[in-house]
Amino acid sequence: AQTVTQSQPEMSVQEAETVTLSCTYDTSENNYYLFWYKQPPSRQMILVIRQEAYKQQNATENRFSVNFQKAAKSFSLKISDSQLGDTAMYFCAFKLTNTGNQFYFGTGTSLTVIP
Amino acid sequence: SAVISQKPSRDICQRGTSLTIQCQVDSQVTMMFWYRQQPGQSLTLIATANQGSEATYESGFVIDKFPISRPNLTFSTLTVSNMSPEDSSIYLCSVVFDSFNEKLFFGSGTQLSVL
Repeated sequence: AQTVTQSQPEMSVQEAETVTLSCTYDTSENNYYLFWYKQPPSRQMILVIRQEAYKQQNATENRFSVNFQKAAKSFSLKISDSQLGDTAMYFCAFKLTNTGNQFYFGTGTSLTVIP
Repeated sequence: SAVISQKPSRDICQRGTSLTIQCQVDSQVTMMFWYRQQPGQSLTLIATANQGSEATYESGFVIDKFPISRPNLTFSTLTVSNMSPEDSSIYLCSVVFDSFNEKLFFGSGTQLSVL
């Protein structure tokens, strides 16, 4: 079975600072995708970044980057130059490649950016 | 990018009644799913909406309680039947546009409160 764990229920960061959100996962499979989703108060789930497990290079999207450690089954999200609009719930998610429809989500981290 | 419209955005319902939630995408999609997000919790997959056939339900969810339709490649409905307060949740429509891409995109969600 696949599981995703986010051990930080809540975090805060000062505007313009950098914050890292943690995520670990468990699987016996070798081919999968990892995602970070953002859910602001509007409820809209927004894809922030995606990482293919077969790629060693960490994915980046503007101010968002990941630290993917496959051996440790760790997938953390770094937000640089935090902005007030980054305040949201952040969910880590996992999906096996080309196998079924199931996306496995962590329990989320509530991030507050302090002005 | 494509638009995923979900309605109603919120509703307050009486116990024992039913509510149908609609999800409309402005382009054809490969896969459509329905998720539930209970207060303060992560996302749980209810079912995969199959075009022209019965939905595929996850463990713990049944067709009598959550009937789903998907008459074409751009539209699906989820009905929450015989509601109880325990059904109070956010219900999210989600889609995969390209099975090779395997990114999950979400509608804006329906906030359901059952009294």
